Amino acid sequence: GQQLNQSPQSMFIQEGEDVSMNCTSSSIFNTWLWYKQDPGEGPVLLIALYKAGELTSNGRLTAQFGITRKDSFLNISASIPSDVGIYFCAGRLQGGSEKLVFGKGTKLTVNP
Amino acid sequence: DTEVTQTPKHLVMGMTNKKSLKCEQHMGHRAMYWYKQKAKKPPELMFVYSYEKLSINESVPSRFSPECPNSSLLNLHLHALQPEDSALYLCASSFTGTSGVAYFGPGTRLTVL
Repeated sequence: GQQLNQSPQSMFIQEGEDVSMNCTSSSIFNTWLWYKQDPGEGPVLLIALYKAGELTSNGRLTAQFGITRKDSFLNISASIPSDVGIYFCAGRLQGGSEKLVFGKGTKLTVNP
Repeated sequence: DTEVTQTPKHLVMGMTNKKSLKCEQHMGHRAMYWYKQKAKKPPELMFVYSYEKLSINESVPSRFSPECPNSSLLNLHLHALQPEDSALYLCASSFTGTSGVAYFGPGTRLTVL
């Protein structure tokens, strides 16, 4: 099936540092979504991207829809302890797909 | 309001039990989904309902039986489950099946003994 390559798999950073993670694929997507999941909870939507080249911010979070439509990145600036969690990228394939393809997640640990 | 609710929050059941998971949304979304998530893994799609009709079944065993009574409700009926079915079961909804953001519920933590 379709795969999203999400990296890095895990990150250990100090509070206040900036974070960057990305997802790439060999397929073209028409929607990119970034979610954060805390243990035992459902994924919470952070940012949604719909157009190639689109750059969207949500507070300290910024995400971009790659020009080739095959990739996306998420940046977190000035990290704080509550940023800890697993971040997933997800995408809808071009052509209209009812399936969301998920990356394997990036586990973020923030040391105070 | 972007809320998807799920009940129960936790469920423990034996292999001979019959139980149901419930999901509800009032965003006017016409697509609803069931996902299964194992620890440290991404959500894995099980079923998609679009306009109250089952449109995708990802080869899920028949011991899982979905039901969509109306556009706001989604159930997952469980029967004769195995211990390996223990997982977090997530419900999600989106405007349609092929567009829009998918909003997830908080999940039901299922343990099969």
